[in-house]
Amino acid sequence: ILNVEQSPQSLHVQEGDSTNFTCSFPSSNFYALHWYRWETAKSPEALFVMTLNGDEKKKGRISATLNTKEGYSYLYIKGSQPEDSATYLCASHYGNQFYFGTGTSLTVIP
Amino acid sequence: SQTIHQWPATLVQPVGSPLSLECTVEGTSNPNLYWYRQAAGRGLQLLFYSVGIGQISSEVPQNLSASRPQDRQFILSSKKLLLSDSGFYLCAWNPGRSEKLFFGSGTQLSVL
Repeated sequence: ILNVEQSPQSLHVQEGDSTNFTCSFPSSNFYALHWYRWETAKSPEALFVMTLNGDEKKKGRISATLNTKEGYSYLYIKGSQPEDSATYLCASHYGNQFYFGTGTSLTVIP
Repeated sequence: SQTIHQWPATLVQPVGSPLSLECTVEGTSNPNLYWYRQAAGRGLQLLFYSVGIGQISSEVPQNLSASRPQDRQFILSSKKLLLSDSGFYLCAWNPGRSEKLFFGSGTQLSVL
């Protein structure tokens, strides 16, 4: 069992604000880092899968970066919208196992 | 296209009763299959995973067991439920080692 940590635990932002979350993971034996969005009453859905040190991925207003040497990833949301409200999970992928952090709960206030 | 089915959606069981949660995947073959649990106020905990029929890896020794009797079927079981087994159970699959996970809709289990 590997320890994946996310911060902050929860976040409230105003509509239009930009925000970011952190995921830290053990860097030894690392294979990939995943980000998922989990909306209330839905299943978690993948946002990004990153494998290489320095990877940057972008989907619309959401982007993520990866530092495998120091074991962290950032998720950025630019110009937050109410529909961005969800729990954002990161998972570190080792072999066939995926270890999730506890998530960051984001609430965007209109 | 691939789909994942998980049932039941909610379950209320007395302490000491048995448990069987089922998950099936359609539209793919030889998926990797996973069971996760989210206890109240905690993150997703990996319980079991399987890379093939009859192959089960356990992450957390506890009151639960898993089986994969068919290629696309994954079952989570318990002979006698404990209060601490309460939580939200998610089944997931992926087509291979480098791929993202696809999750089922989850089962909310309350043990009373």
